[in-house]
Amino acid sequence: DAGVIQSPRHEVTEMGQEVTLRCKPISGHDYLFWYRQTMMRGLELLIYFNNNVPIDDSGMPEDRFSAKMPNASFSTLKIQPSEPRDSAVYFCASSAGRGRGGYTFGSGTRLTVV
Amino acid sequence: AQTVTQSQPEMSVQEAETVTLSCTYDTSESDYYLFWYKQPPSRQMILVIRQEAYKQQNATENRFSVNFQKAAKSFSLKISDSQLGDAAMYFCAYRSATGNQFYFGTGTSLTVIP
Repeated sequence: DAGVIQSPRHEVTEMGQEVTLRCKPISGHDYLFWYRQTMMRGLELLIYFNNNVPIDDSGMPEDRFSAKMPNASFSTLKIQPSEPRDSAVYFCASSAGRGRGGYTFGSGTRLTVV
Repeated sequence: AQTVTQSQPEMSVQEAETVTLSCTYDTSESDYYLFWYKQPPSRQMILVIRQEAYKQQNATENRFSVNFQKAAKSFSLKISDSQLGDAAMYFCAYRSATGNQFYFGTGTSLTVIP
């Protein structure tokens, strides 16, 4: 099992550009979560999916953020347009069921918007 | 929303010694799960140990054990025989048995002194 795979590992972009972060969950996991980690706010849940359907997106900070899960093996988090305050580490995590055994996290994408 | 508090931003321990990291949480629910995650400099979030609230027995995983005090809403992590590889940020997390979202504490940075 390759675990949760995120790409890219690092992303540096200019303010105003579109950024797309990618995630491949563990095969067979039916829940997928996107988290953002910053020094100021810690780990924040942005959105999560169950069986590819968005269940709760109340953590998405603004309309500039959008997430999709077109199939069970792929999800994207898009920021358009990006701003410097979006700089953070973005984690994807997946779980079988609702996470009774804990999430499995990807290694994160460090996003820097200059 | 539930809150998880880690009151120790930083801790240090001598190699081979024992250290305890504190975590308290606030909830009105009776059934839930608690977790400790480790985040080394590599950024990967690694599940260390989990505890089910309905189990009175404290969870143990090799050198890692917890002291779960349900009435006090306390969930501390004890690391025995500390190793250099234990140096990391440690996050306490809560999940309701009926919910999907994990609530994370702000983390404790553990330094292991050779």
